[in-house]
Amino acid sequence: EPEVTQTPSHQVTQMGQEVILRCVPISNHLYFYWYRQILGQKVEFLVSFYNNEISEKSEIFDDQFSVERPDGSNFTLKIRSTKLEDSAMYFCASTPDRISSYEQYFGPGTRLTVT
Amino acid sequence: DAKTTQPNSMESNEEEPVHLPCNHSTISGTDYIHWYRQLPSQGPEYVIHGLTSNVNNRMASLAIAEDRKSSTLILHRATLRDAAVYYCILRDRVMEYGNKLVFGAGTILRVKS
Repeated sequence: EPEVTQTPSHQVTQMGQEVILRCVPISNHLYFYWYRQILGQKVEFLVSFYNNEISEKSEIFDDQFSVERPDGSNFTLKIRSTKLEDSAMYFCASTPDRISSYEQYFGPGTRLTVT
Repeated sequence: DAKTTQPNSMESNEEEPVHLPCNHSTISGTDYIHWYRQLPSQGPEYVIHGLTSNVNNRMASLAIAEDRKSSTLILHRATLRDAAVYYCILRDRVMEYGNKLVFGAGTILRVKS
């Protein structure tokens, strides 16, 4: 069964450094999402992306965050200057563009630790 | 987004049915009821969804109250692998795909052997 993959599984970085989290959505999917989950807290929506542009973003997704689909397969989340409070699990998700589909398919996540 | 209310935690014995309740008294006529679950150290996973009628799939059943103000996710025979956080989420049909999921705290399901 096709699945969403994410790399790396764990990223450790120093405060102020830039990080790029990578996702490979399922190949025929057209909507892409990033969510994050701080340890012990709820899963929070960050951003959704369709047709090479952001379709919706949350208050968390400020100027420090950006997303990109650099080629036909990867979907990336960049944090320009990481803060301690960016430490979290980051989940990528995708959805096919068809009316009968209601599922978001999530990847296994990347654990980001900012020291 | 309409709010849902779920118990913080529930416990079940292995091989027994589990009924996970969700209240959504402010649900609108165009809201679908979705259930996702999150196994330990994994991303969320779709379980089932419905609008008005009860629904069954290979993972679970969804029973929806006639007034749609509540629903129940039914796991027919709980296994240890079903231990997870279960989330009840409302999504507007008008923006059915391409619409974000808004997660609450969910219900932590513990399964005892």
